[in-house]
Amino acid sequence: AQTIHQWPVAEIKAVGSPLSLGCTIKGKSSPNLYWYWQATGGTLQQLFYSITVGQVESVVQLNLSASRPKDDQFILSTEKLLLSHSGFYLCAWTLDRGYEQYFGPGTRLTVL
Amino acid sequence: GDQVEQSPSALSLHEGTGSALRCNFTTTMRAVQWFQQNSRGSLINLFYLASGTKENGRLKSTFNSKESYSTLHIRDAQLEDSGTYFCAAEGASSSFSKLVFGQGTSLSVVP
Repeated sequence: AQTIHQWPVAEIKAVGSPLSLGCTIKGKSSPNLYWYWQATGGTLQQLFYSITVGQVESVVQLNLSASRPKDDQFILSTEKLLLSHSGFYLCAWTLDRGYEQYFGPGTRLTVL
Repeated sequence: GDQVEQSPSALSLHEGTGSALRCNFTTTMRAVQWFQQNSRGSLINLFYLASGTKENGRLKSTFNSKESYSTLHIRDAQLEDSGTYFCAAEGASSSFSKLVFGQGTSLSVVP
C-alpha cells in the first residue's frame, strides 16, 4: 500500500527566515507529485506539480520554489518567508493525469 | 480559467437527516473528486468520478459532465460526518492533473 508522509507536522517561523517542507511517497514508483496551499478557513490551491525526478512546474507564483531530488521526494522551500505564506501545506500524488489524487497529512505553517 | 462554484458554504443537519451539496463548473471537466477535511486538516477521499453515479454507504455522488455539475448526497447524517467537504475537478483541457477546488461546505451535524 502507498503511504505519504510530510514533515514537519507544524512550523512556527519568523518573517524573512528560510523554509523547507518535505514530502515522501512510499510504495509507488514514478508518481506525479503536487504541492497545495490552504489559507486558514479557505480552499486549496495547487502550487507545483512534478511528473519526474528533477522536473517541477509552477502553477501559481507565491514566492516559493519546489524541487524533486528523488523519485519519492518532493521539497517545498523559500529563502525568505512572508506573512502571507502562513497556512496549511499539503502534498499529493497520483498515478498520472486522469487518476485520483491522494493527499498527505499536511504541514501547518505559522509565520510571525 | 477553470472555475468551481460550490454550494452551500455552510450547512447544519440534525442527526438522521440528509442533504445535498453541489458544484457547478464553468468549463468542461474531465473528472471530479469529493473530499472530507477533518479537524486535523487531513483530506479523506470520498469519491472519484469521470461520469455517472457512485454510492458508498450513506454517501452518493453524481457527475454530469455534459451539464457541468456534480452533487454529493448525504443521508442519515451522523455526528462524525461533521467537517468541511470539498469538490475538486480536473479540466478536460489540462495537460496535467490540475485540480481546481471549490470553496468548501462546512457541515455541522448536531444531535
